Amino acid sequence: RKEVEQDPGPFNVPEGATVAFNCTYSNSASQSFFWYRQDCRKEPKLLMSVYSSGNEDGRFTAQLNRASQYISLLIRDSKLSDSATYLCVVNSRDNYGQNFVFGPGTRLSVLP
Amino acid sequence: DGGITQSPKYLFRKEGQNVTLSCEQNLNHDAMYWYRQDPGQGLRLIYYSQIVNDFQKGDIAEGYSVSREKKESFPLTVTSAQKNPTAFYLCASTPTRVYYNEQFFGPGTRLTVL
Repeated sequence: RKEVEQDPGPFNVPEGATVAFNCTYSNSASQSFFWYRQDCRKEPKLLMSVYSSGNEDGRFTAQLNRASQYISLLIRDSKLSDSATYLCVVNSRDNYGQNFVFGPGTRLSVLP
Repeated sequence: DGGITQSPKYLFRKEGQNVTLSCEQNLNHDAMYWYRQDPGQGLRLIYYSQIVNDFQKGDIAEGYSVSREKKESFPLTVTSAQKNPTAFYLCASTPTRVYYNEQFFGPGTRLTVL
């Protein structure tokens, strides 16, 4: 089983749609969680951190369920500019230090 | 402005040659990381360093080497032993004192073996 798994995608949605991405992780000792956005041929950029209580930033809402080891990202009122690959990232400590594990990503295309 | 720089942006290499990718950060971060990304794939960890003069192998370290002589610099050498080096290479850093901090990425180097 992979450490971090995501919906395989791609997701093709019309402008204005609501889309949800799911992510599961296998390391129960994981401590912090993030969603990154990666545009084609660019570096990943932080979209939002994910907190236990859930958090919202404008049209984006992230949820964490530690018991189920599950993270989600909801995008409301999709824009063309939301088209990108969304990466789920899990941070844990190993014997050496902090280790970030990336999911394979889910590609989103928002269509006019 | 603070950030991470990687150079060159594009690099072409002949088979059998070693090449070194540069990564510099002025964020005063302790930890630095190298990842490889293949088309349509996620990021895979090559090497990481939590402190100067120390580093650890990641999941795919074979055929690569690194050094960490200065806090702000973490160069990656792709050796001729790396069988399929054509990929997008990303350098990242993070502070270690605050555990929940995210990683910051450089713009990447796209390596092509001819």
